[in-house]
Amino acid sequence: AQTVTQSQPEMSVQEAETVTLSCTYDTSESDYYLFWYKQPPSRQMILVIRQEAYKQQNATENRFSVNFQKAAKSFSLKISDSQLGDAAMYFCAYFGGADGLTFGKGTHLIIQP
Amino acid sequence: DTGVSQNPRHKITKRGQNVTFRCDPISEHNRLYWYRQTLGQGPEFLTYFQNEAQLEKSRLLSDRFSAERPKGSFSTLEIQRTEQGDSAMYLCASSVGNPVYGYTFGSGTRLTVV
Repeated sequence: AQTVTQSQPEMSVQEAETVTLSCTYDTSESDYYLFWYKQPPSRQMILVIRQEAYKQQNATENRFSVNFQKAAKSFSLKISDSQLGDAAMYFCAYFGGADGLTFGKGTHLIIQP
Repeated sequence: DTGVSQNPRHKITKRGQNVTFRCDPISEHNRLYWYRQTLGQGPEFLTYFQNEAQLEKSRLLSDRFSAERPKGSFSTLEIQRTEQGDSAMYLCASSVGNPVYGYTFGSGTRLTVV
């Protein structure tokens, strides 16, 4: 079974700084999809960014970018110019073509003003 | 279309009672997923539907849990003889086919069993 590991239960960053959240996963598949979701205190999960494993180019969405290392099975999220509204739980997720997404345990991101 | 809707938002029940949650997905989404999220954890897969067919159930879904999606539209998740360990956030999500673009999630139903 696929597993997703987020080794940082909590991260703290100063407003306007850059922070990187780590994620590793285990799979025997060669074609799959990776996601980062944000869950603000209101609890609705919001998709932040996605990556297709067969694409070497790292995905970017405005201030959010990923560092996808397929061989290392690593998928980190970089948030540039952190804003107070970025404070939330962040979940890394994997989809390999069967059933549904598998999520990590999450990283609680704190933004210090 | 207002997204994925879940009702109720909160439910407090006594141990041993039955509870039912409802999820209304985005209308054109043929896949519907149920997840459970306990405090400090990521969402855990419970089951999913493609149209009205329930295609997969996690081993987390004990025989006290049942889910339906009649006519391939809304879905219900029922928990019979609730236990304190059932206390969690129950999340519903939907997608068009395989979720290669991810899911759209609802706001969840918070269940507290006392």
